[in-house]
Amino acid sequence: SQTIHQWPATLVQPVGSPLSLECTVEGTSNPNLYWYRQAAGRGLQLLFYSVGIGQISSEVPQNLSASRPQDRQFILSSKKLLLSDSGFYLCAWGQEGNQPQHFGDGTRLSIL
Amino acid sequence: SQQGEEDPQALSIQEGENATMNCSYKTSINNLQWYRQNSGRGLVHLILIRSNEREKHSGRLRVTLDTSKKSSSLLITASRAADTASYFCATDLTGYSTLTFGKGTMLLVSP
Repeated sequence: SQTIHQWPATLVQPVGSPLSLECTVEGTSNPNLYWYRQAAGRGLQLLFYSVGIGQISSEVPQNLSASRPQDRQFILSSKKLLLSDSGFYLCAWGQEGNQPQHFGDGTRLSIL
Repeated sequence: SQQGEEDPQALSIQEGENATMNCSYKTSINNLQWYRQNSGRGLVHLILIRSNEREKHSGRLRVTLDTSKKSSSLLITASRAADTASYFCATDLTGYSTLTFGKGTMLLVSP
């Protein structure tokens, strides 16, 4: 069966520090991969999605970036975090098209 | 905004009662999906209804879709305390390559 791993579960970082969140998927090949951010009490904001290795689409201009170095690995990065980057970050995978997406358990990021 | 909008934002009921949540959207869709999120966790897919379908059932869940009104409803029958969660609709909009999520309905089921 397919599984998705996302870590760390919680992270506290100072303003201006770098960020690297990792997401890996097991049990499927060539998945579509997604990074979302969820502010408290709000819906999901799509940040990046990828349909293949090295293919990244950005939905919202910001100081975050994403990379897909391997088929089932998706990384969210920042060189210098801002206070506004605080939130709950979710990774998800899906098959081609807008079929159901399967989510990781998220990373709670707090910027001090 | 093209995203689905859930209504109500919050719903509080007693165990055994039915819970109904609604989702409205603005443009044509390929399908509409409902997800559940327990506090502090990721979303879990519940049900997908295609644009040519009008009703779907899964256990205690019943989803309807009215494309003429651009709306969908999620009914949870005989609610349990364990149904307490936030529920989101997500639309696969025609011409868009990703899902668009609403802001969710927070459901509280009291014992």
